[in-house]
Amino acid sequence: GQQVMQIPQYQHVQEGEDFTTYCNSSTTLSNIQWYKQRPGGHPVFLIQLVKSGEVKKQKRLTFQFGEAKKNSSLHITATQTTDVGTYFCAGPNKLIFGTGTRLQVFP
Amino acid sequence: GAVVSQHPSWVICKSGTSVKIECRSLDFQATTMFWYRQFPKQSLMLMATSNEGSKATYEQGVEKDKFLINHASLTLSTLTVTSAHPEDSSFYICSARKGLAVLGPDTQYFGPGTRLTVL
Repeated sequence: GQQVMQIPQYQHVQEGEDFTTYCNSSTTLSNIQWYKQRPGGHPVFLIQLVKSGEVKKQKRLTFQFGEAKKNSSLHITATQTTDVGTYFCAGPNKLIFGTGTRLQVFP
Repeated sequence: GAVVSQHPSWVICKSGTSVKIECRSLDFQATTMFWYRQFPKQSLMLMATSNEGSKATYEQGVEKDKFLINHASLTLSTLTVTSAHPEDSSFYICSARKGLAVLGPDTQYFGPGTRLTVL
């Protein structure tokens, strides 16, 4: 079945540093979604990417969908303590979630 | 718009008892709802897909007789954990998909989750 892996599993950064998480699928995806889950909270939808090579920005967050539509990345510029949480990518349809990357930001 | 609620937010029960968790879409009709389970520091694992008026589709390895799902209306799905045991303790999250999603065909909206502890 479809598998979605994310690296790294954990990332600790100093506030102000950049952060990137990578998502890789075993199969081609029609679209990919990104979610953020704060500690103790539930996943919150961030964005959906559909087109090959698509790049979307949300303030300090940059999302990219690979040309082959099998990988994606989320880059956060100048992290803030409010960015703390686990970031998940998810495949379409039943939303098979990636393994997640837990981000910790130290002030 | 697109608010999903879950009730209860947390529950503690004795081993062997059954627990029902409700998932409601408050301001839209959800043709499809999904139930996930999340263990501490792990990803969300899809348990089943629930379509209004039909039987739920369970993922491989999920016992349908233990996790009963009912999607009686377009705004309500319930998950009943029958004869709960300590290993069933987990964070259960539902999500709902709009029939006509504005943001995209697969966008789902998540409930706040239910933390189940079985003693």
